[in-house]
Amino acid sequence: KQEVTQIPAALSVPEGENLVLNCSFTDSAIYNLQWFRQDPGKGLTSLLLIQSSQREQTSGRLNASLDKSSGRSTLYIAASQPGDSATYLCAVRAGGGNKLTFGTGTQLKVEL
Amino acid sequence: NAGVMQNPRHLVRRRGQEARLRCSPMKGHSHVYWYRQLPEEGLKFMVYLQKENIIDESGMPKERFSAEFPKEGPSILRIQQVVRGDSAAYFCASSPLPGQLNTEAFFGQGTRLTVV
Repeated sequence: KQEVTQIPAALSVPEGENLVLNCSFTDSAIYNLQWFRQDPGKGLTSLLLIQSSQREQTSGRLNASLDKSSGRSTLYIAASQPGDSATYLCAVRAGGGNKLTFGTGTQLKVEL
Repeated sequence: NAGVMQNPRHLVRRRGQEARLRCSPMKGHSHVYWYRQLPEEGLKFMVYLQKENIIDESGMPKERFSAEFPKEGPSILRIQQVVRGDSAAYFCASSPLPGQLNTEAFFGQGTRLTVV
């Protein structure tokens, strides 16, 4: 059974810092991994999708890496801003049916 | 191209009532997934449907919960005789045609169910 863990559970940083969020998964037989952002009381916004054959994806200040063999992914946020404050979720797609297994998220707060 | 549309956004039901949650997938998407997010917990897969077919319901509670995706109209997640423990955010996601296992999942804004 696939299990996804995110560390840390919560993180508070001053504005401008670079930061790394971690995601690990137990079964490396995945199709892809997706990072999402969730604001309080809101839905999920897809940030980055990494296919199993890829090592990293970049979008603006965000960079996600994937090491499938070790079951790890990181989300790097450069020059953090207060608007980045949200919960960040990683999810892996494995097995038949395209369903996602989610981690419990990292709650990020970027302070002025 | 409108995104995944869920309604209602908020739903309040008394214990014992029925809750019906609707999801319209993105245009061109024929696969729908329902997830539940309990307070202080992560999202958990519930059910995966194609038009007129339930493909995987391994995450659905055995009783009171059902889902359908008819040929016409939105997908419906139905919860009968709701209890306080059903209070959660229910999210729907959609994806395109079968065989495209490496596709991105697109989520709706969710329906927040409160059972009082």
